[in-house]
Amino acid sequence: QVQLQESGPGLVKPSQTLSLTCTVSGGSINRGDYYWSWIRQSPGKGLEWIGFIYYSGTTYYNPSLKSRGNISVDTSKNQFSLKLNSVTAADTAVYYCVVYGDRKFDNWGQGTLVAVSS
Amino acid sequence: EIVLTQSPATLSVSPGERATLSCRASQNINSNLAWYQQKPGQAPRLLINGASTRATGIPARFSGSGSGTEFTLTVSSLQSEDFAVYYCQQYFNWPPEYTFGQGTKLEIK
Repeated sequence: QVQLQESGPGLVKPSQTLSLTCTVSGGSINRGDYYWSWIRQSPGKGLEWIGFIYYSGTTYYNPSLKSRGNISVDTSKNQFSLKLNSVTAADTAVYYCVVYGDRKFDNWGQGTLVAVSS
Repeated sequence: EIVLTQSPATLSVSPGERATLSCRASQNINSNLAWYQQKPGQAPRLLINGASTRATGIPARFSGSGSGTEFTLTVSSLQSEDFAVYYCQQYFNWPPEYTFGQGTKLEIK
């Protein structure tokens, strides 16, 4: 089973861009049976699926993000990333990178807390 | 958007007893439902998918049932490690618009 580790700044200013990276170890990101996902958890909104990316670059996003999100993959580094622009306090959350395969989120990173504050 | 409503918000049960948690979908999602367990400071852990299929390594005391709009997670004999927050999640639509319930906290009575 692959392991996932999130990394990135823990504090972002309002209106700026949140950037996180997930490093995949113990297996290749170049596999056709997984989607590489981001999910966040905040006290106000609970668990929220942000979106995911296939190794080919195909992406799907939660419509509620109103096109603020962008997920990319770097197969040479075995990483995938999330960028969320125009952040507000409502984007403060624990962000998880998660493997989605066979119709289930069955492998989660430990999560990283991102606070949006000036 | 498919809304999942979990009940109750908090459930107090004694160790060794049975716990029954509910999840209601705002529209028919067939059996496209998963259950997760989350303990403080940890990521959620998959328990059940396909409404009733236990994930690898999940004890048999966890069982899921239901289809359509009404779903149930049952823990048949609560162990101390089972006290946690439980979430349901639907994966009915494609392109995906996955949503989670707001959670049920299972606490020791």
